[in-house]
Amino acid sequence: SYVLTQPPSVSEAPGKTARITCGGDAIGSKSVHWYQQKPGQAPVLVIYYDSDRPSGIPERFSGSNTGNTATLTITRVEAGDEADYYCQVWDGSSDQLIFGGGTKLTVL
Amino acid sequence: EVQLVEFGGGLVQPGRSLRLSCGASGFRFDDYAMHWVRQTPGKGLEWVSGISWNSGSIGYADSVKGRFTISRDNARRLLYLEMNSLRPEDTALYYCAKSPTVRAGYANDWFDPWGQGTLVSVSS
Repeated sequence: SYVLTQPPSVSEAPGKTARITCGGDAIGSKSVHWYQQKPGQAPVLVIYYDSDRPSGIPERFSGSNTGNTATLTITRVEAGDEADYYCQVWDGSSDQLIFGGGTKLTVL
Repeated sequence: EVQLVEFGGGLVQPGRSLRLSCGASGFRFDDYAMHWVRQTPGKGLEWVSGISWNSGSIGYADSVKGRFTISRDNARRLLYLEMNSLRPEDTALYYCAKSPTVRAGYANDWFDPWGQGTLVSVSS
């Protein structure tokens, strides 16, 4: 079945820009959704349809998707952004919803 | 405010059964597809199953196909997951999650919001 590959960890200093990638075969032809999960909490949707932001999510969060890589970008990183981030797509060939393995964002 | 509350988790022996439930409030339950997603302790997320708003389309992850059954009672605003032939690898926190799209199937979907989860432990 379809595989989404995320780096296990990303670190960035406060105020800088963090980029979290999600790799998959021709992922640019799929819709990618991103979730943020803080310790002890349920995941929260932060980006849907590649680059749309739900209400309440800061403009600092943005997404892009092209070729074999989707990217979640967080500008002006804050301590409160420290969390695990997961990408997710629909795999029509297996009729299943697929998650990436997750990326832990550490704010230095 | 949308609220999803899961219950029914617990400790169960391998090979036995368990039924999870998810109570929904704050939205028109019968208009939305619903899903179960699980998370192994300390690990990532895995979609388990989804059901359309009218139960007309249902899907399962390969890892649970033939053992788990999803269903819903729109009148009672409840989502269920019947889990049979449980295995140690089914041990996880099970989340109930709502589709954001009105009157859609479970396919090509995403999740917003999520409940807080109910823990299932499969061990002898």
